Amino acid sequence: ETGVTQTPRHLVMGMTNKKSLKCEQHLGHNAMYWYKQSAKKPLELMFVYNFKEQTENNSVPSRFSPECPNSSHLFLHLHTLQPEDSALYLCASSQDVTGQETQYFGPGTRLLVL
Amino acid sequence: RKEVEQDPGPFNVPEGATVAFNCTYSNSASQSFFWYRQDCRKEPKLLMSVYSSGNEDGRFTAQLNRASQYISLLIRDSKLSDSATYLCVVSYSGTYKYIFGTGTRLKVLA
Repeated sequence: ETGVTQTPRHLVMGMTNKKSLKCEQHLGHNAMYWYKQSAKKPLELMFVYNFKEQTENNSVPSRFSPECPNSSHLFLHLHTLQPEDSALYLCASSQDVTGQETQYFGPGTRLLVL
Repeated sequence: RKEVEQDPGPFNVPEGATVAFNCTYSNSASQSFFWYRQDCRKEPKLLMSVYSSGNEDGRFTAQLNRASQYISLLIRDSKLSDSATYLCVVSYSGTYKYIFGTGTRLKVLA
């Protein structure tokens, strides 16, 4: 399935590096999300974009910087991360943000911060 | 109290068994409910939405109990391929906030 794609699939970075995660959805959806999934923890919502406009920043540290140039693309720019930021970062999309929509997830980027 | 709570398991069941999971939610304003399935090292995928009247999809049945604030998932005739983590998700009407549980791990044994 290629509804939502994410690159890279795996990323190892040092605390001083700058990297970006990319997400693309081919479903014609209007809303896109970034989630963080750590071991033994529930998915944590980080950012929500609706029609390219950010509608939620769930108290995420500024070392994570999202960018949504259009409804199909979403980026997460990373800089000066901490080891505790190591996790699976999942992108998702949904038709709208009514809360009743199915969310479609990408395969995720597994991030390791050394 | 967590907003969405699930028994983490694992639930180890033999093939062909019937297994049920519950998920409790704390906010009575919750409006929409879902079960997602997540295979090891893969992304979550929608298994089924949960409707007020309950709904069935093949071997899977979902129920909602608003009075007691829980949803359930029943799997009949378990298959080896049902082994996965099942995530309970609740959301609020008109919002984009989907609240995920930590998931219940199911292992179906041959």
